[in-house]
Amino acid sequence: KQEVTQIPAALSVPEGENLVLNCSFTDSAIYNLQWFRQDPGKGLTSLLLIQSSQREQTSGRLNASLDKSSGRSTLYIAASQPGDSATYLCAVGTSYDKVIFGPGTSLSVIP
Amino acid sequence: EADIYQTPRYLVIGTGKKITLECSQTMGHDKMYWYQQDPGMELHLIHYSYGVNSTEKGDLSSESTVSRIRTEHFPLTLESARPSHTSQYLCASSVQVGGYTFGSGTRLTVV
Repeated sequence: KQEVTQIPAALSVPEGENLVLNCSFTDSAIYNLQWFRQDPGKGLTSLLLIQSSQREQTSGRLNASLDKSSGRSTLYIAASQPGDSATYLCAVGTSYDKVIFGPGTSLSVIP
Repeated sequence: EADIYQTPRYLVIGTGKKITLECSQTMGHDKMYWYQQDPGMELHLIHYSYGVNSTEKGDLSSESTVSRIRTEHFPLTLESARPSHTSQYLCASSVQVGGYTFGSGTRLTVV
C-alpha cells in the first residue's frame, strides 16, 4: 500500500532564504507526482506536475525533483518571500489509478 | 483564471435542510473528484467519477451522493444536513491519474 509522508510538518524561515520541502513515498511504481500549495480556507493550487519519466520540473522560483528509486521528491523554493507562506502538499498518482496525498508542510516566511 | 468552478463559496444552513454543492469544469476532463477537508487536516476522497454516468464512493464514508449526467458537471448533494457535515468540500478534475485541477472549495457550516 502506497504511503506518502512529508517532512518537516512545519517550517519557519526568514525572508530571502532558499528552502527545500521533502516528500517521500513507499512504492516506486508511481504514475506522476504533483506539488500543490494551499492557503488557509482555500482550495489547492497546482505548482508542478512531474511525470514518472521525468526527473524535475521548474516554474519560476520553484524546482521540483523526482527520484523514484529512492522514493523521494523535493520542492526547492529560491529566495523565499512572505507570500510563499502556505501549506505545501505533494500528491502521488499511483499505477493502480489512485492519488495519495501527503499530510503537508506548513511554511511560514518571516519578513 | 479558474477552469473549475465551485458554488457557493460559503454556505451556512440549518440542520435537516437539503443542499447541493455545485462543481463545473470547462476543460473536458473525464475524471472528477470530491474531497472533504476539515481545517488543518488531511484531504479525504468521498466521491469520484470517470465519466458520464460513472460514480464511485471514495475512501471516506459519506452520507452525500453525487451524479454525473454531463461531463462538465459533478454536483454533490446532502439530503439532510447535520452539524457533523460542517467542513470544506473541494472538487477536482483531471485527464489522467493525478494532474489535478482543484476548485476554490465550498465551506459548509451546518447549524
